[in-house]
Amino acid sequence: SDELTQPPSVSVSPGQTARITCSGDAFRKTYAYWYQQKSGQAPVLVIFEDNKRPSGIPERFSGSSSGSMATLTITGAQVEDEADYYCYSVDVTKRVFGSGTTVAVL
Amino acid sequence: EVQLVESGGGLVKPGGSLRLSCAASGFTFSSDSMNWVRQAPGKGLEWVSSITSTGYDIYYGDSVKGRFTTSRDNAKKSLYLQMTDLRAEDTAVYYCASGVLLDQWGQGTLVTVSS
Repeated sequence: SDELTQPPSVSVSPGQTARITCSGDAFRKTYAYWYQQKSGQAPVLVIFEDNKRPSGIPERFSGSSSGSMATLTITGAQVEDEADYYCYSVDVTKRVFGSGTTVAVL
Repeated sequence: EVQLVESGGGLVKPGGSLRLSCAASGFTFSSDSMNWVRQAPGKGLEWVSSITSTGYDIYYGDSVKGRFTTSRDNAKKSLYLQMTDLRAEDTAVYYCASGVLLDQWGQGTLVTVSS
C-alpha cells in the first residue's frame, strides 16, 4: 500500500516530549521527511532523510525511522510548536504525504 | 532570499481549465526539481506532480493523471500547472515547492471549482 498513516492528534504539556508516528511500507526503502504547517501558513520542512534538521530548525525537533515506521520527536515542546505535522515519502515516480497529525501543546 | 510566488488561481466551472504559474527567484532554478502540492479546504496535503530539473521526467498523482500537465521554463525561472477537466474535488490551495526535499514553498494560490 502507498498510504502513510499518522495519528489524527497528539497532545502534550509544555516542556514535555511529543512523538508523532508515521507508518507505511514506503519507509522500508525510502527516507522520511516531515513538515510543520501552522494555521494559515505554508508548510515548513523540519526533518529530511529520516533524521536531518535543516538550518534554522530548533534542536528539539528530531527524527528516526525503523522498518515501516518513521517518528518525529519534539523534545521539550513549546507553545509555538502547535501545528499540523505531515510525514512524506519520495519514491522514483511517486510521492505520498501522510494523513497529518495535529499537535496541541497545552 | 528564495522566493516562490504562485499565481493563476481563481473560480472556474466544472469541466473548465486553468493554468497556474510559479515564479522562482533566489536560487538556481534550473538545477532543482520542482513540485506541485495541493490542500483542499480543511484537509491535508496532497502531492500533485513533480518535474525534474531538465523537465524530461514528470510524475503525477493518480487523482490528476491525464487531466493535469506540469511544465517548466528554466530561462524564465517558472513552473506551470495546466489543469483541464476540473472537478469540484480539485478545489484547493495549490503550492509550488522546490527540490526533492520540498525545502521551500510558495504561499499558494486558491483554485475553486464550482458552478
